[in-house]
Amino acid sequence: EVQLVESGGGLVQPGRSLKLSCLASGFTFSNYGMNWIRQAPGKGLEWVASISSSSSYIYYADTVKGRFTISRDNAKNTLYLQMTSLRSEDTALYYCARRRMDFDYWGQGVMVTVSS
Amino acid sequence: DIVMTQTPLSLSVAIGQSASISCKSSQSLKYSDGKTYLNWVFQSPGQSPKRLIYQVSKLDSGVPDRFSGTGSETDFTLKISRVEAEDLGVYYCCQGSYSPLTFGSGTKLEIK
Repeated sequence: EVQLVESGGGLVQPGRSLKLSCLASGFTFSNYGMNWIRQAPGKGLEWVASISSSSSYIYYADTVKGRFTISRDNAKNTLYLQMTSLRSEDTALYYCARRRMDFDYWGQGVMVTVSS
Repeated sequence: DIVMTQTPLSLSVAIGQSASISCKSSQSLKYSDGKTYLNWVFQSPGQSPKRLIYQVSKLDSGVPDRFSGTGSETDFTLKISRVEAEDLGVYYCCQGSYSPLTFGSGTKLEIK
């Protein structure tokens, strides 16, 4: 069974950093591109970043470019999102999703709240 | 960026009736490999999103055949025949053909 479990969220002050993790199981992680997608409270879905299976190709939304870094460790079956210079508008539920172009499995999400 | 325009924003449907959601993209979603990466994703209240349909019309495993997806290039439709109570929630179209990947604003399905 495919499982994606996010962790690392919490309450953080504006301007600070936070690193999210997504632990994958039930499939060969190194064969799949991955995404981070977020959802602000009461709002719709917003794609954040994607990474190819071997990390050769990385893409970011303009809203996070230069502040967020997506990465992966295929030996640990884990996807990461390093978030720096956090803003109040980054407050959201962050999901990891498998397959870069068609998001076939999603995690349960992890909440990030940016507030002083 | 490709804009995904979904209509209607909300829909109230009686059990057993059908529902239809339109999604239009600002440019063709046909990718260089010939495939069209238009997906439909469903989010029931309090739950994480779940993909229902990929590449316009292919149903995910376990998705009832009451759901169907049609369309091409820039015009796409999700149809639910014989709506059931469990279909309550928000439906999003999303394109994965071109970066940045973009979502429609969502259609909230309510049961009348």
